[in-house]
Amino acid sequence: QVQLQESGPGLVKPSGTLSLTCAVSGGSLSNSDWWSWVRQPPGKGLEWIGEINHSGSTNYNPSLKSRVTISVDKSKNQFALNLNSVTAADTAVYYCAREVSGSYFDSWGQGTLVSVSS
Amino acid sequence: EIVLTQSPGSLSLSPGERATLSCRASQSVRSSYLAWYQQKPGQAPRVVIYGASTRATGIPDRFSGSGSGTDFTLTISRLEPEDSGVYYCQQYGSSRWTFGQGTKVEIK
Repeated sequence: QVQLQESGPGLVKPSGTLSLTCAVSGGSLSNSDWWSWVRQPPGKGLEWIGEINHSGSTNYNPSLKSRVTISVDKSKNQFALNLNSVTAADTAVYYCAREVSGSYFDSWGQGTLVSVSS
Repeated sequence: EIVLTQSPGSLSLSPGERATLSCRASQSVRSSYLAWYQQKPGQAPRVVIYGASTRATGIPDRFSGSGSGTDFTLTISRLEPEDSGVYYCQQYGSSRWTFGQGTKVEIK
């Protein structure tokens, strides 16, 4: 069973860049799966941020597209999220997840809380 | 963008009762791309149903999914205390995923 683990700073200053990494174990990024980032503001619902596949093809949520970059590092079996120009509205638990056959997410990381504050 | 609207926002039922959760889409959704997730406090979501009606591995048979087009339903036939949580529907279309706003299920 594949396992995912998010890592990165828990506090980011306003106007700065949020950078997270998702390490994948028990499976390889170098297959046909897609890999996603999802976030959840405190007490609110889930918001999909974007996805990437093993070859680096990406799709992003249109509402975040201008600020988001997702990249993959196959040598380290991990993928990353960069979100720039952050504000307090970007405070959330950030999850990485694996997509199965483009139809659902079967594996999730435990999530990491990122707060945007000075 | 396809918007998913879930109803009710919350429900409180007793063990053994039946829960019916609705997910309505603003445009037609391919059934193969409709999933339901359960989320408990402090935990990541867990898939319950995918392909609109297929139970995920390890999900009890009291969970069932149905629907097509723009109307989908998650039914929990006999509620157990461990079924409490927030349930989200999710769909994939036009190279993007969207989630419903969630239905909170409380077991009395």
